[in-house]
Amino acid sequence: EPEVTQTPSHQVTQMGQEVILRCVPISNHLYFYWYRQILGQKVEFLVSFYNNEISEKSEIFDDQFSVERPDGSNFTLKIRSTKLEDSAMYFCASSPTSGRLSAYNEQFFGPGTRLTVL
Amino acid sequence: GESVGLHLPTLSVQEGDNSIINCAYSNSASDYFIWYKQESGKGPQFIIDIRSNMDKRQGQRVTVLLNKTVKHLSLQIAATQPGDSAVYFCAENSGYALNFGKGTSLLVTP
Repeated sequence: EPEVTQTPSHQVTQMGQEVILRCVPISNHLYFYWYRQILGQKVEFLVSFYNNEISEKSEIFDDQFSVERPDGSNFTLKIRSTKLEDSAMYFCASSPTSGRLSAYNEQFFGPGTRLTVL
Repeated sequence: GESVGLHLPTLSVQEGDNSIINCAYSNSASDYFIWYKQESGKGPQFIIDIRSNMDKRQGQRVTVLLNKTVKHLSLQIAATQPGDSAVYFCAENSGYALNFGKGTSLLVTP
């Protein structure tokens, strides 16, 4: 069964450093997403991406964040200058369509990358 | 503001019993809802979804009920098994984003 994969599983970085989190969405999906989950809290939407551009982003997704689909398979989240409060699980998800177009919009989640900022 | 939330943070049930996990939402314009299961150290796993034009949808051992009048959603798990122990999130689809609730931890005891 196809699945979303993410690397690395755990990333430790120093405050102020740049990190890139990588995702490989399901191959025939067109919509891609990043979410984060701070320990013990709910999953929060960061950004959605379609047709090589951001389709929607939350207030969390400020200028320190960027996303890119550098090739036909990878989808990345970059944090330019990490802060302590960026420590969280970051989940990538993908879906074949979007809630704006389809009656059902199941988003498939990857296993996550645990980011620890020291 | 608009929110999706859960009534109970934890639920403990005995193996074989039925489980009911509840969720309230406040956005009356929400038209699509999903239940996700999250096991420790893993990403959310889709369980079942429902559109607002339906009151009930059934899957394998799971049923989702939607009451639009009181903006309430529930997940019923029949014959709960130890493998059902996890955190369960309801989420509403708001355009592109999923808006998650805080989660209910389900603990299945033998």
